[in-house]
Amino acid sequence: SQTIHQWPATLVQPVGSPLSLECTVEGTSNPNLYWYRQAAGRGLQLLFYSIGIDQISSEVPQNLSASRPQDRQFILSSKKLLLSDSGFYLCAWILAGAVTSTDTQYFGPGTRLTVL
Amino acid sequence: AQKITQTQPGMFVQEKEAVTLDCTYDTSDQSYGLFWYKQPSSGEMIFLIYQGSYDEQNATEGRYSLNFQKARKSANLVISASQLGDSAMYFCAMRERQGGKLIFGQGTELSVKP
Repeated sequence: SQTIHQWPATLVQPVGSPLSLECTVEGTSNPNLYWYRQAAGRGLQLLFYSIGIDQISSEVPQNLSASRPQDRQFILSSKKLLLSDSGFYLCAWILAGAVTSTDTQYFGPGTRLTVL
Repeated sequence: AQKITQTQPGMFVQEKEAVTLDCTYDTSDQSYGLFWYKQPSSGEMIFLIYQGSYDEQNATEGRYSLNFQKARKSANLVISASQLGDSAMYFCAMRERQGGKLIFGQGTELSVKP
């Protein structure tokens, strides 16, 4: 069966510090991968999505970046965090061939980031 | 642009009663998918139910059903026989054709009273 991991689970970082959040998927190959951010009490905002290695699309211009060095690994990074980067970051995946089907996206457990 | 609107920031329901959570959407696509997710306080996103734009029947999954009114562009979630464990945030989402991306509404916080 497929599983999705995210780490760390929680993170407290000072403003201006770098960031690296990791997401890995097990039990499948060539998934579409997604990074979402959720501000407190709000809905999910798509940040990046990837249809393959080194194929990443950015949805919202900001100081964050994403990379996909391996098929099942998706990394969210920042060189200098802002206060507004605080939130709950969720990684999700779906089989590439299922994007128009009834298959849902499967979400990881999330990383709660607090920037002070 | 595609958009999901959930107009109820918070809802209360008595245990064992039914509750309807509203969702309207806007899209120019003829083919699309609509999803409902539950997010408890732990933060995990739990898939509840799916409705395809060409599905003639309303989707049902156990105590969850989707009241799909295509002409009105609404996809309301109905939870029957509410339980205390149903207390959570509920999100309506629509899948875009490009890349399988999901667009989420702002969510409705449901509180079930004993």
